Amino acid sequence: GENVEQHPSTLSVQEGDSAVIKCTYSDSASNYFPWYKQELGKGPQLIIDIRSNVGEKKDQRIAVTLNKTAKHFSLHITETQPEDSAVYFCAASKGTGGFKTIFGAGTRLFVKA
Amino acid sequence: GAGVSQSPSNKVTEKGKDVELRCDPISGHTALYWYRQSLGQGLEFLIYFQGNSAPDKSGLPSDRFSAERTGGSVSTLTIQRTQQEDSAVYLCASSLMAGVGETQYFGPGTRLLVL
Repeated sequence: GENVEQHPSTLSVQEGDSAVIKCTYSDSASNYFPWYKQELGKGPQLIIDIRSNVGEKKDQRIAVTLNKTAKHFSLHITETQPEDSAVYFCAASKGTGGFKTIFGAGTRLFVKA
Repeated sequence: GAGVSQSPSNKVTEKGKDVELRCDPISGHTALYWYRQSLGQGLEFLIYFQGNSAPDKSGLPSDRFSAERTGGSVSTLTIQRTQQEDSAVYLCASSLMAGVGETQYFGPGTRLLVL
């Protein structure tokens, strides 16, 4: 069935360093890949997304890359700050055969000051 | 404007009891989604609504789970004869419409504990 795998499950970086989170998906029909940030006690919030017709997208300190051939996509956070500490989820969705978003298991990011 | 709201924020129940979880989407959003998040896990898709209809119920774990949406707004997720494995955070999200690329806005969730 449809599956999204996410690595690592936990990531600890020093403030100012970069953080990279990687995901792979199984359904080749997936064509939309959002990333969510979830802070403690809150619901996930969209931080960036990418469509299948684009290989890379950047928004200030956050960037996402997509390799459709390999079916993997990554989140890059540069110049990390303590407020970046949260759980990050990748997801994959498609519009054919019904609409469903499949989420990865999440990465807990710690940014040490 | 107001975001997605969910009630109750926390629910403790005894095994075997029924529970109802409520979701109020953002005004004007026609699509509504339910997810389940177990401790330390990702989000598990349960069901989504476009208007009042649910095109995809494939994520509901068993026939003890049901959801409805009336008036194209508020939705209720009902779990009958709760089991301990139902303990999780139940998240609701809404979007302007159901479709690829439509941003889903999440509520804070309902934390369900089945004793």
